Amino acid sequence: ILNVEQSPQSLHVQEGDSTNFTCSFPSSNFYALHWYRWETAKSPEALFVMTLNGDEKKKGRISATLNTKEGYSYLYIKGSQPEDSATYLCAFSRSYIPTFGRGTSLIVHP
Amino acid sequence: NAGVMQNPRHLVRRRGQEARLRCSPMKGHSHVYWYRQLPEEGLKFMVYLQKENIIDESGMPKERFSAEFPKEGPSILRIQQVVRGDSAAYFCASSPANNNSPLHFGNGTRLTVT
Repeated sequence: ILNVEQSPQSLHVQEGDSTNFTCSFPSSNFYALHWYRWETAKSPEALFVMTLNGDEKKKGRISATLNTKEGYSYLYIKGSQPEDSATYLCAFSRSYIPTFGRGTSLIVHP
Repeated sequence: NAGVMQNPRHLVRRRGQEARLRCSPMKGHSHVYWYRQLPEEGLKFMVYLQKENIIDESGMPKERFSAEFPKEGPSILRIQQVVRGDSAAYFCASSPANNNSPLHFGNGTRLTVT
């Protein structure tokens, strides 16, 4: 069983705050790390797929970093907006099957 | 481009009945994954299929559950003789290949067993 841990479980921030959360995964036999955003009543939507140690990816105000040797990835949101409110999922894969964490629920208050 | 289509959105079955969940992947995608989300849990992998082949079903219960992805038509997740514990949201995702492509998810089927 692969252990993919995300922290914190939930997070409340004010509009304009920058925030970050963590995804921890096994550091052996790494293949890929995925990040998804899951808004209520919608389906999970891919943000990034990261494969190389030291990788950094950016999409607008959202960015992610990857450390495969120590087994963690950070997701950063700069200047949070209410529309960023969602659950952010990470998924780790050793082969072709992503194993998901439970997610971090982010609520941005106007 | 149509996304991943799952139907029905909601399905109510009485204990002992069969549930059939359908998933049409995105156009051009030949890889399908099924995940289950139990109440208060995350997404748990069930089965990974390519056209006409089950590649990995290690997350699927050995009894009552089966999956297929025929050459023509949608992927089907079948649950026979449903029990209350099968009540969950079932999500299908597709990808064009297994080379670290991101997954594209459907909106899920919420199964309620009464």
